[in-house]
Order: sequence, then C-alpha cells, then structure tokens
Amino acid sequence: DSGVTQTPKHLITATGQRVTLRCSPRSGDLSVYWYQQSLDQGLQFLIQYYNGEERAKGNILERFSAQQFPDLHSELNLSSLELGDSALYFCASSVGGAGETQYFGPGTRLLVL
Amino acid sequence: AQSVSQHNHHVILSEAASLELGCNYSYGGTVNLFWYVQYPGQHLQLLLKYFSGDPLVKGIKGFEAEFIKSKFSFNLRKPSVQWSDTAEYFCAVNLMNRDDKIIFGKGTRLHILP
Repeated sequence: DSGVTQTPKHLITATGQRVTLRCSPRSGDLSVYWYQQSLDQGLQFLIQYYNGEERAKGNILERFSAQQFPDLHSELNLSSLELGDSALYFCASSVGGAGETQYFGPGTRLLVL
Repeated sequence: AQSVSQHNHHVILSEAASLELGCNYSYGGTVNLFWYVQYPGQHLQLLLKYFSGDPLVKGIKGFEAEFIKSKFSFNLRKPSVQWSDTAEYFCAVNLMNRDDKIIFGKGTRLHILP
C-alpha cells in the first residue's frame, strides 16, 4: 500500500459525459501528479500540482482539467468524453517536485461506451 | 520534443538469465532518472533512481542501472532474474529546468518462465 488513495476504482460512462476522479496523496506529500495509461500510448503524464498550484503540464487535453484543494487532495475532471478516453488513470504524490520519488495510487479504470 | 524510448516492449526470459532493459532519452539538460516497476495487480513503485554522483545505481531486489550521459541512456540490469520479476518496467526522466516535467517511457513487459 503506497498511501495514495483513488476513487472510484472503476467507472463506466457514455460518450459526451463528464466524470470526476479523486485522489488523496500520502500524508505530508505536497505534490500530486495525474497520469493516463493506455495500451497504445503507454503512461502519459497529464499534470502536476504542488501545494495547490499547477506546477507542470504534460499531454493534457483541453477537455480535461484538474485542481488541488487546500487539504491537498486533487480531482481530475474529464468532460465531453470520447471512446478514446477509456484508460487507466493514475494519481501519484511526492513530498516535493518531480525529481523526487513518486508514490502511485491503484488507479481508476475508466470505460467510455 | 523530449522523449523517453524503451526499446523492448516485450521480453521473455528463463529464470537465472541475465536481464538488460534499454532506456534512452532525448534532452540535453540535467536530468533525474528513474525506473519504476508494476507487478501484476499492483500499483507502480520505485525500483531505483539516479540524481547525481556514481552513475551506477543499485536498487531493490538486485536491480541496478547505469547512467551513461554521453549515450543519454539509463539501462536497467539484473544478473539473474527470478519468476517473481515478471512485471512491467517503466523508465522515467525528470527534466530539470523544464518546468519540472517528467516523461515516462511506454514500458517493457517482462515475462519470466519458471
């Protein structure tokens, strides 16, 4: 157990819908990262927040957005969902920046029908 | 654009064989380097990391990796694999001075035959 929790574990929805994925970092970690893992694209870094502020941006679509709240938990919002958004979404946390060890959560498996 | 390449997508070995998984990155600046592992049904976890100093880094479970700056490589090695090493292995590069960005390779699935 990494100490990072993600909810829900599984999510099934339809195209065009909007979903919210939630992540709680390890106690004491200030950074939260979001990743998308699919068979064809591998593990893609989406976005990083540090202590409530956006720190780094990766291959995140405009239809996707994230935020980190004062209690340091984070949410990833996916809107206007398409079939190709079906993937495993991981959250990770670290004490400081991306140069430090990241601790990954179990992931949320999203299926868009 | 910066990228991380893992040359082997699938590797099948017998127990006791030696392992080397390749990782190359394209970025001319300072980097931090990582190997993460995902065992079946488990979350990703750190295997080893390089920040500075000795380019030969030792990690958990007998794994090691060597940073060769001139080749932009960070290959993972293990002299004798075990069935329990069956997993997916990811190389990751943190681009320092580039907005703290981190890039993962697409992963290598390693299957060890008992």
